[in-house]
Amino acid sequence: DAKTTQPTSMDCAEGRAANLPCNHSTISGNEYVYWYRQIHSQGPQYIIHGLKNNETNEMASLIITEDRKSSTLILPHATLRDTAVYYCIVSHTGTASKLTFGTGTRLQVTL
Amino acid sequence: GAVVSQHPSWVICKSGTSVKIECRSLDFQATTMFWYRQFPKQSLMLMATSNEGSKATYEQGVEKDKFLINHASLTLSTLTVTSAHPEDSSFYICSARDLQWLAKNIQYFGAGTRLSVL
Repeated sequence: DAKTTQPTSMDCAEGRAANLPCNHSTISGNEYVYWYRQIHSQGPQYIIHGLKNNETNEMASLIITEDRKSSTLILPHATLRDTAVYYCIVSHTGTASKLTFGTGTRLQVTL
Repeated sequence: GAVVSQHPSWVICKSGTSVKIECRSLDFQATTMFWYRQFPKQSLMLMATSNEGSKATYEQGVEKDKFLINHASLTLSTLTVTSAHPEDSSFYICSARDLQWLAKNIQYFGAGTRLSVL
């Protein structure tokens, strides 16, 4: 599976949009981009995933560049409860696929 | 929906004893469950992939005789840490993949089990 690169940490003011970038320049054509987050001392939580089209759900939006070498997770109105480590993961689908967690981005939402 | 229950959430045991951790998918069936370990200030490391009705597949460097995995039904997988030692103290997390939505490859995670071996 392709490797991802994320900033170590980011800050965001509460109520503002949080834009979390991810580089995955070696992504292959059939690999998806997944985003998970882990709030302190809890298990990770699935946020969103996509292949090449932009995706939106009740939690976030995922913007994937046309060449698919990078993506951005957008939390439109960050709250204090969004403070967490956010992981961008590239993976195939299918029964044999696995998730490889990198170091992620620690997002701190402040008042 | 898509709830994974992990039990216990916290366990302390003496060195040399065995500890069993349960992982249940409450509202979906999962042919595949995963077991991760996370040390403080580090990321999750996959230990093994558990498939219902068959032997687990362990990642390189994980001792299969020490970390016994059983996946006897579509909703339950267990991890037993045998003869635990202080270096096994860690945060153990399970996840399950919904059989109905295999193509999406989404894993749903339990809340984790914090193991402390004295």
